[in-house]
Amino acid sequence: DGGITQSPKYLFRKEGQNVTLSCEQNLNHDAMYWYRQDPGQGLRLIYYSQIVNDFQKGDIAEGYSVSREKKESFPLTVTSAQKNPTAFYLCASSIVPPGGQPQHFGDGTRLSIL
Amino acid sequence: DAKTTQPPSMDCAEGRAANLPCNHSTISGNEYVYWYRQIHSQGPQYIIHGLKNNETNEMASLIITEDRKSSTLILPHATLRDTAVYYCIVRAANQAGTALIFGKGTTLSVSS
Repeated sequence: DGGITQSPKYLFRKEGQNVTLSCEQNLNHDAMYWYRQDPGQGLRLIYYSQIVNDFQKGDIAEGYSVSREKKESFPLTVTSAQKNPTAFYLCASSIVPPGGQPQHFGDGTRLSIL
Repeated sequence: DAKTTQPPSMDCAEGRAANLPCNHSTISGNEYVYWYRQIHSQGPQYIIHGLKNNETNEMASLIITEDRKSSTLILPHATLRDTAVYYCIVRAANQAGTALIFGKGTTLSVSS
């Protein structure tokens, strides 16, 4: 079945450590997105990419980095510069606009600080 | 994106139809209506979307009023697994650089 796979499901970070969250999709979508969700809050956009080797900052990119070397993969690195990384991280993908194509989400990675 | 208004909670008996309303009175002509749901600790699940015509897929039906100011998501035979928070989102096309805005949604509780 086509879908979006995020791993790991749970991740723990030590102070000063960088961690990388994986996101893979086999939907043949060109666009991919990273969101952050805090308890009781809506989704906030971290980064997005509409094509391989290109990506754009979202609303809260500071302390995060991404790469898009393959169409299927869009890993997110949470760097030590992100002072409040504890959150639920969601990856999504979609067909590139125009048109009203929906975003499809993975099951998320929950990141906590040790 | 246009603002949406949804009731905070609804109850439904298992096997009955669940009708979830959404008001979007300021919707623009190029804005679509999307429905997602989120079960605790999982990612949002896309359900259905439409522009002005009614839509149906294997999960649900979407009824949009003729003036497009409101819509209703219909789950024809609700099951316990349909218990979730349902979000109605209004959004224009060509919005790749902006986040989907999930409001507070409607918490649907399906009981046996």
